[in-house]
Amino acid sequence: GIQVEQSPPDLILQEGANSTLRCNFSDSVNNLQWFHQNPWGQLINLFYIPSGTKQNGRLSATTVATERYSLLYISSSQTTDSGVYFCAVNYAGNMLTFGGGTRLMVKP
Amino acid sequence: ETGVTQTPRHLVMGMTNKKSLKCEQHLGHNAMYWYKQSAKKPLELMFVYSLEERVENNSVPSRFSPECPNSSHLFLHLHTLQPEDSALYLCASSPDLNNEQFFGPGTRLTVL
Repeated sequence: GIQVEQSPPDLILQEGANSTLRCNFSDSVNNLQWFHQNPWGQLINLFYIPSGTKQNGRLSATTVATERYSLLYISSSQTTDSGVYFCAVNYAGNMLTFGGGTRLMVKP
Repeated sequence: ETGVTQTPRHLVMGMTNKKSLKCEQHLGHNAMYWYKQSAKKPLELMFVYSLEERVENNSVPSRFSPECPNSSHLFLHLHTLQPEDSALYLCASSPDLNNEQFFGPGTRLTVL
């Protein structure tokens, strides 16, 4: 099956800093999603981005499908950005395969 | 609020109990999913339903039994579970297969 790797696994930022999270995948995909999981376990949709670049406030994402990676940018980080960020890819039509996540802590 | 609700939010059960998890989506979607998130493991797909037909069963033990009575509701029936089945169980829905998925808040299950 497809492999999805996220880096870094853990990240600590000072409030106001910027960061880039990376997602590499081993095969061609139909689509890709980025999620933020809050401390209560809720997965919040950030981007549905099979290719190209999207922006939503302080967050933006770029997927380069031909090179099999996606990047999530967080600018001017806030403490509420803390949590786990997951990348998930759909390559077989029915299922999302998740990466291992990046655990982000933003310190005040 | 994603439009996907799950009940109960927390469940503690013994290994001999029978319980059910419920998921409801208010988005008019045609596909629904069950995922399992164990500690220190990536989320794993368990079951996929499209238009109330099961289309994916990802080698899940028979002590987990899904049911999809209509396109808005999905159940996961549990019986004779093991302590290693303790996990966060997440439900998701999408307009159709191969489309953006939206997740419910999850049921945190503890098996004693």
